[in-house]
Amino acid sequence: AQSVTQLGSHVSVSEGALVLLRCNYSSSVPPYLFWYVQYPNQGLQLLLKYTSAATLVKGINGFEAEFKKSETSFHLTKPSAHMSDAAEYFCAVTEGAQKLVFGQGTRLTINP
Amino acid sequence: DSGVTQTPKHLITATGQRVTLRCSPRSGDLSVYWYQQSLDQGLQFLIHYYNGEERAKGNILERFSAQQFPDLHSELNLSSLELGDSALYFCASSVGRGNLRTGELFFGEGSRLTVL
Repeated sequence: AQSVTQLGSHVSVSEGALVLLRCNYSSSVPPYLFWYVQYPNQGLQLLLKYTSAATLVKGINGFEAEFKKSETSFHLTKPSAHMSDAAEYFCAVTEGAQKLVFGQGTRLTINP
Repeated sequence: DSGVTQTPKHLITATGQRVTLRCSPRSGDLSVYWYQQSLDQGLQFLIHYYNGEERAKGNILERFSAQQFPDLHSELNLSSLELGDSALYFCASSVGRGNLRTGELFFGEGSRLTVL
């Protein structure tokens, strides 16, 4: 079975600082990887996805993630944090063609 | 707004009771997924329907059941409720047959179930 590990359930950064949210996956086949964001009292929405094209994937709101096969990682970054980035972020990997396995989530707090 | 509608948004009930959660997918989406989000288990996949047929099953308890109707809306039925069933239940939809390798899920805002 596929699995996803997100290192750090809570990450706190200052406004304007680099955001780095870590995700490592376990997959027996070439993975398809996703980052979703959940704002308070809302459902999840897709930030970006890796589907075996370019290893550096750009998403919405200035986020990007790099797929590193050798490290089995798909870390999410943003050069400069904004207050509106405060949310919970989930990394996910496909299991088969029809199921997404989510990590436990990382809550991002932005300090003014 | 994702286009996925879930009702009710909040539900409080007692142990032993039965509830039904409803989901209307985005217009044109044939696949519906149900997920349970709780503090201790995180986001857990429950079940996937495509065009009325069950396609994949996850960690869904026998006390839970789901179906997708001809108009493509879906219902998740939870019975003999226990305290531990308190959670946020999400419905998501996707275009096509549910090939997530190229597609994405569109999530509703969830139904928050509290069992007292």
